Amino acid sequence: DVVVTQSPVSLPATPGKPASISCRASQSLLHSNGNHYLHWYLQRPGQSPQLLIYLGSNRASGVPDRFSGSGSGTVFSLKISRVEAEDVGMYYCMQALHFPYTFGQGTKLEIK
Amino acid sequence: QITLKESGPTLVTPTQTLTLTCSFSGFSLDTIGVAVGWIRQPPGKALEWLGIVFWDHDKRSSPPLSSRLTVSRDTSTNHVVLRLTNMDSADTARYYCARLLIEHDAFDVWGQGAMVSVSS
Repeated sequence: DVVVTQSPVSLPATPGKPASISCRASQSLLHSNGNHYLHWYLQRPGQSPQLLIYLGSNRASGVPDRFSGSGSGTVFSLKISRVEAEDVGMYYCMQALHFPYTFGQGTKLEIK
Repeated sequence: QITLKESGPTLVTPTQTLTLTCSFSGFSLDTIGVAVGWIRQPPGKALEWLGIVFWDHDKRSSPPLSSRLTVSRDTSTNHVVLRLTNMDSADTARYYCARLLIEHDAFDVWGQGAMVSVSS
């Protein structure tokens, strides 16, 4: 199975400041079609996960442009340009190139 | 509007079989490129991918659970069913179903989840 490792586990963030989460996969997530099958989800407290970023760098519908995704091969990152209070929650990356699909262990973003 | 909703028992006893139904609307599992998957989350823990069924009836499941897990679709209704046999306390979790489109292979719409506890 592809192991997906996120860091940090906990991320104290300051409103208005940037924040970043890293995701590393044990195998390349590059498909022959040129896309990287790495997605980012946010799970706000008490809610279901929601898709933030798909295929490494594409924002899902309705996602604010302060969220951005980048990376290639086995190393990816999610960046928030200016953290807001509503960004609190658990962030998960998920690889969808190799079965079984696998999630990272999550990063908890909290406001300082 | 696309919605998914999980339903089933909230409590099962050890060794029982869990049957959960995902009822969805706003899309069809007969449409090429559409799939419905199951993901679970034990209390306070991370998400775990369980299995998926595609528009062409192809199915995949997590290898550690493959001997116990069945994911199937009801072709006459908008339902996907998860069956997990020989339930154990380690299977206590919130179970989510979610839609996936193969154009990006991401779960783009999620249900609210169904909490299932395993206890005697």
